[in-house]
Amino acid sequence: DQQVKQNSPSLSVQEGRISILNCDYTNSMFDYFLWYKKYPAEGPTFLISISSIKDKNEDGRFTVFLNKSAKHLSLHIVPSQPGDSAVYFCAASTANFGNEKLTFGTGTRLTIIP
Amino acid sequence: DAMVIQNPRYQVTQFGKPVTLSCSQTLNHNVMYWYQQKSSQAPKLLFHYYDKDFNNEADTPDNFQSRRPNTSFCFLDIRSPGLGDAAMYLCATSRLVAYNEQFFGPGTRLTVL
Repeated sequence: DQQVKQNSPSLSVQEGRISILNCDYTNSMFDYFLWYKKYPAEGPTFLISISSIKDKNEDGRFTVFLNKSAKHLSLHIVPSQPGDSAVYFCAASTANFGNEKLTFGTGTRLTIIP
Repeated sequence: DAMVIQNPRYQVTQFGKPVTLSCSQTLNHNVMYWYQQKSSQAPKLLFHYYDKDFNNEADTPDNFQSRRPNTSFCFLDIRSPGLGDAAMYLCATSRLVAYNEQFFGPGTRLTVL
């Protein structure tokens, strides 16, 4: 049972344009969401997060939007740069202090075309 | 730099031959996690430690064991690796606070012959 879904395995975007990566979840108990970025031969690195009390969080070129009613979140990267080419994982957790387990999606491979 | 280190980066073992993967951290985090990630799949949590308190996921096979002798180190033991255990194994750490991100090591790629 895939509780966090990233339905697009890959995405190609031209340099300078906006990249939009999507994520859907099914567990209504999830209330904290994270995006991780992964380069080949490296572990995932934390990118940005959002808690369920917000609908938007911004950090430089990266913005995450959360639509709780639709159980959907998205990551916007603007402008996209060649160094953004990586696999992006969406992850979710519940407000269960002492039990902060992450449930990951399968990832979206983003390729930025120069 | 504070970090999560995994050794070895690549491990080859034979079918049924026990293997141990190691993880160390300089972040002084309370919580350590082991994930298994197969190609094109999501990282799957195997188990985690809150300090020395071990927490096994319900669907983690008995073939997988873990040890955490101190705050800095955590080991993943695969007692009798099968071909289906070939995967990337990721170690992660976090502080024991709510809404906190996990910090990942580079992973160990396990090949079973």
